[in-house]
Amino acid sequence: AQSVTQPDIHITVSEGASLELRCNYSYGATPYLFWYVQSPGQGLQLLLKYFSGDTLVQGIKGFEAEFKRSQSSFNLRKPSVHWSDAAEYFCAVGGFLQGGSEKLVFGKGTKLTVNP
Amino acid sequence: DSGVTQTPKHLITATGQRVTLRCSPRSGDLSVYWYQQSLDQGLQFLIHYYNGEERAKGNILERFSAQQFPDLHSELNLSSLELGDSALYFCASSVHTDWSDTQYFGPGTRLTVL
Repeated sequence: AQSVTQPDIHITVSEGASLELRCNYSYGATPYLFWYVQSPGQGLQLLLKYFSGDTLVQGIKGFEAEFKRSQSSFNLRKPSVHWSDAAEYFCAVGGFLQGGSEKLVFGKGTKLTVNP
Repeated sequence: DSGVTQTPKHLITATGQRVTLRCSPRSGDLSVYWYQQSLDQGLQFLIHYYNGEERAKGNILERFSAQQFPDLHSELNLSSLELGDSALYFCASSVHTDWSDTQYFGPGTRLTVL
């Protein structure tokens, strides 16, 4: 069964600093990978997704993520963080349940705090 | 605004009661997904409907059920509520059945069971 690990529960960065949020997955085949962001009191919004091809994926709001098969990782990066990026970030992997049905499995999330 | 609407926004009820959460997908989307987000379990997939038919079940309790109506809106029914059912319930929609489609999430319904 697929699983997702986000090792960092909480990260604090200063505005303007670079950001990297870690995500490791476990899946038996080529995974379909996603990053979502959840602002306080809001639903989840898709930042980017990877299916195949170029391992560096560009998303919205200046985010990018790199798929590294050898490390089973799909880390999210941003070169310069803005105060509005403060939110919770979720990595997800798409796969098949036993029996063949499909679903998304989410990590526990990383809460990002941005200091002025 | 994702285009997915959920009502009510907040719901407070007592143990043993039954509630219904409603979701209207984005215009044109045929798939509806339900998720539960709680502090201890995180975000978990509950169930997926496509064009009125159940397509996949995740970690959904037997006390919970869902359906999707001909107008494509969906309802999640939670019965015999327990304290542990307190959570944020999200609905998401997508165009097709392929879970690799982008799922658009609603703002959620916060359920508090006292």
